[in-house]
Amino acid sequence: DAKTTQPPSMDCAEGRAANLPCNHSTISGNEYVYWYRQIHSQGPQYIIHGLKNNETNEMASLIITEDRKSSTLILPHATLRDTAVYYCIVRVAGAAGNKLTFGGGTRVLVKP
Amino acid sequence: ETGVTQSPTHLIKTRGQQVTLRCSSQSGHNTVSWYQQALGQGPQFIFQYYREEENGRGNFPPRFSGLQFPNYSSELNVNALELDDSALYLCASSLGQGVVFFGPGTRLLVL
Repeated sequence: DAKTTQPPSMDCAEGRAANLPCNHSTISGNEYVYWYRQIHSQGPQYIIHGLKNNETNEMASLIITEDRKSSTLILPHATLRDTAVYYCIVRVAGAAGNKLTFGGGTRVLVKP
Repeated sequence: ETGVTQSPTHLIKTRGQQVTLRCSSQSGHNTVSWYQQALGQGPQFIFQYYREEENGRGNFPPRFSGLQFPNYSSELNVNALELDDSALYLCASSLGQGVVFFGPGTRLLVL
């Protein structure tokens, strides 16, 4: 599985957009980019995923570069409840397709 | 639609004991996987079950074993508990290769 690199932490002002970068320079053509977040002591929560096109849902937007070597998760209007650890994961489809390899993630602190 | 549920929420065991953790997958999901999350670290994949058979395993010793039942619920069994087994154990489910959804976890403390 391709590895991902994320900044260990970042702060964001409440009400502003939070842009979370992720580098996955060794991603393969059949690997998706997934984002999860984990609020303290809870299970990871699915946010969004994509293959090569930009994606948007009610929680966030995912921007994937044309060469697919990096992506950005955008929380359009951060709230205090968005404080969490955000994980960027690349996931290969296959027999063990549910094996998600978590890195260290980005610890996001939303400040009032 | 019911999400992934796990029981118990918390558990305390002593070294050398055995523990069974339980998971009910999200409605309609046929694939279950288990993860271990030590304090301050990301979740680590233990194994995955599909059609009641293990079909993927991470770097965990054989004393970590599991079962998947016909209703797609699952158990994680850990024998000969060690202090380092203290962690949050997460169950996750999906419909085949679809999005993986996680349960709230069971926090195990081994004394």
